[in-house]
Amino acid sequence: NAGVTQTPKFQVLKTGQSMTLQCAQDMNHNSMYWYRQDPGMGLRLIYYSASEGTTDKGEVPNGYNVSRLNKREFSLRLESAAPSQTSVYFCASSVGTLSYEQYFGPGTRLTVT
Amino acid sequence: GNSVTQMEGPVTLSEEAFLTINCTYTATGYPSLFWYVQYPGEGLQLLLKATKADDKGSNKGFEATYRKETTSFHLEKGSVQVSDSAVYFCALLIQGAQKLVFGQGTRLTINP
Repeated sequence: NAGVTQTPKFQVLKTGQSMTLQCAQDMNHNSMYWYRQDPGMGLRLIYYSASEGTTDKGEVPNGYNVSRLNKREFSLRLESAAPSQTSVYFCASSVGTLSYEQYFGPGTRLTVT
Repeated sequence: GNSVTQMEGPVTLSEEAFLTINCTYTATGYPSLFWYVQYPGEGLQLLLKATKADDKGSNKGFEATYRKETTSFHLEKGSVQVSDSAVYFCALLIQGAQKLVFGQGTRLTINP
């Protein structure tokens, strides 16, 4: 099993460009999450999907959109990238939202210039 | 609100030293508490957990005890190894809530 996979691993964007970060899990988990990780701030939840067909805002949703394409895939879109979105982005999944054990992907390092 | 505060890093120790990383929390309900670890270049992994007061979580030589009276969940290890070098995150989950709340992380470096 691959677990949680993310693409791409690295990306550099210019201000105003758009891109989609892809995430897939092969553990048949119901819930999926997108976090950003910034120095000294830990992980902050951007959006999550409790189950297929539902998405909800987390702590820092502004400037992002998400799509739960099916049970396996959960994508994060930046419509117009800004330097403040320079960060490391992690996707995670869990059996359900009340499950404390989240399984994380390896991350995408995004730089916006 | 719910929040987690960890000791400031980075923490640098010599191999075989004793480790403590402090974690305190604020919660409106009855949280479960966790330590996650992030090795260089990887995502986070669950290290240990405690779901009620006075529970002790343990894994890979690490331990943490859920202290409701001091709202703390400090991570300890008696003898650290170079391979323990990583970033450690304390986190909580409120019963009935739908997401984990993470602390800011503590970077640990162990020198041989």
